[in-house]
Amino acid sequence: GAVVSQHPSRVICKSGTSVKIECRSLDFQATTMFWYRQFPKKSLMLMATSNEGSKATYEQGVEKDKFLINHASLTLSTLTVTSAHPEDSSFYICSATIPDSYTEAFFGQGTRLTVV
Amino acid sequence: GQNIDQPTEMTATEGAIVQINCTYQTSGFNGLFWYQQHAGEAPTFLSYNVLDGLEEKGRFSSFLSRSKGYSYLLLKELQMKDSASYLCAVDDSNYQLIWGAGTKLIIKP
Repeated sequence: GAVVSQHPSRVICKSGTSVKIECRSLDFQATTMFWYRQFPKKSLMLMATSNEGSKATYEQGVEKDKFLINHASLTLSTLTVTSAHPEDSSFYICSATIPDSYTEAFFGQGTRLTVV
Repeated sequence: GQNIDQPTEMTATEGAIVQINCTYQTSGFNGLFWYQQHAGEAPTFLSYNVLDGLEEKGRFSSFLSRSKGYSYLLLKELQMKDSASYLCAVDDSNYQLIWGAGTKLIIKP
């Protein structure tokens, strides 16, 4: 199956700093990528839909200025958590779908962010 | 609104069979997915149903009834490694997946 690589898998940062998470589709071109957040014992929560070459579409309640998404190429989308706070600590997962295919989502490995 | 329901937690015995149910109410329907998620890891794809009926894949089978808005995941010959959360997700025809909260499956020896 298709491979999506997410990096880093784990990051600890100080409160007030910014963290960038990368999501790459390794063997296909992903025109659309999705960013999810998952709290402990909760389901995946869609944060935003990232479309190559255009602005991301954010879900209601997600601060676009805090969670910056860039999808500059067909194989790379980045999520930057700006001015991170402890409440931003969470598990962030990206996924991508193959164009013109049924929407099976291929997931990155996830990033465990801890803000101290 | 969009809603997907599945049990929060289930317990089963190693070697047995377990059925995890999922009911959904979505504005559109373009298929239903089951994913397995081990703690601390990203979900992995198990099955996809878009037509009514049973899809069998090894020890795992998935069933769909579109008229009832109902699906189940059937796991046979349970192994300890099957202890995980099982997530039901519906493609609502709007190019996104609507996720259930997941069912935590606990396997006991």
